[in-house]
Amino acid sequence: DGGITQSPKYLFRKEGQNVTLSCEQNLNHDAMYWYRQDPGQGLRLIYYSQIVNDFQKGDIAEGYSVSREKKESFPLTVTSAQKNPTAFYLCASSRGQTILTNEKLFFGSGTQLSVL
Amino acid sequence: EDQVTQSPEALRLQEGESSSLNCSYTVSGLRGLFWYRQDPGKGPEFLFTLYSAGEEKEKERLKATLTKKESFLHITAPKPEDSATYLCAVRETSGSRLTFGEGTQLTVNP
Repeated sequence: DGGITQSPKYLFRKEGQNVTLSCEQNLNHDAMYWYRQDPGQGLRLIYYSQIVNDFQKGDIAEGYSVSREKKESFPLTVTSAQKNPTAFYLCASSRGQTILTNEKLFFGSGTQLSVL
Repeated sequence: EDQVTQSPEALRLQEGESSSLNCSYTVSGLRGLFWYRQDPGKGPEFLFTLYSAGEEKEKERLKATLTKKESFLHITAPKPEDSATYLCAVRETSGSRLTFGEGTQLTVNP
């Protein structure tokens, strides 16, 4: 079955620690995204990538980093510089480069990150 | 700056009691308006895309409509399994990213 796989489902971060959230898709989509969701707030864009080896900052990129070395993978690292990392993180993908198309997003099942 | 506002924040209905959710938006030019359903602890699931004022789309008990300033998600005779958070998002003409509203949490009691 085609889809987006996020892992782990739950993740705990210690003070000063970097953690990496995994996102893999087998939909052959060009564009991938990372969103953060806090209770009572809309989804906020962290980073997005339209093609391999290229990515752009979203609205809340500080304290996060990404890479896009393969079309199917878009890992997100939450660094120690992110002082309030507790949130639900969602990875998404869409067909084609959305600057050129108007495609809907497909979402993974999310990773809940908490601080110990 | 694009803005998307959803109302109400939460809505409680009895099974069979029809109602509507609202999504108001402010963009320089609308390229598309998207509705998603999200169950607790899961990722959003796509429902509809609307592109121009006057457009309507239906799926089972859900019907989405669009005007130049807002979209409505009408729920006819809802069932408990329709309970979820409904998210609205817009993409403007010159942009590639989606701007999401805060969602409406719908609870349908049997």
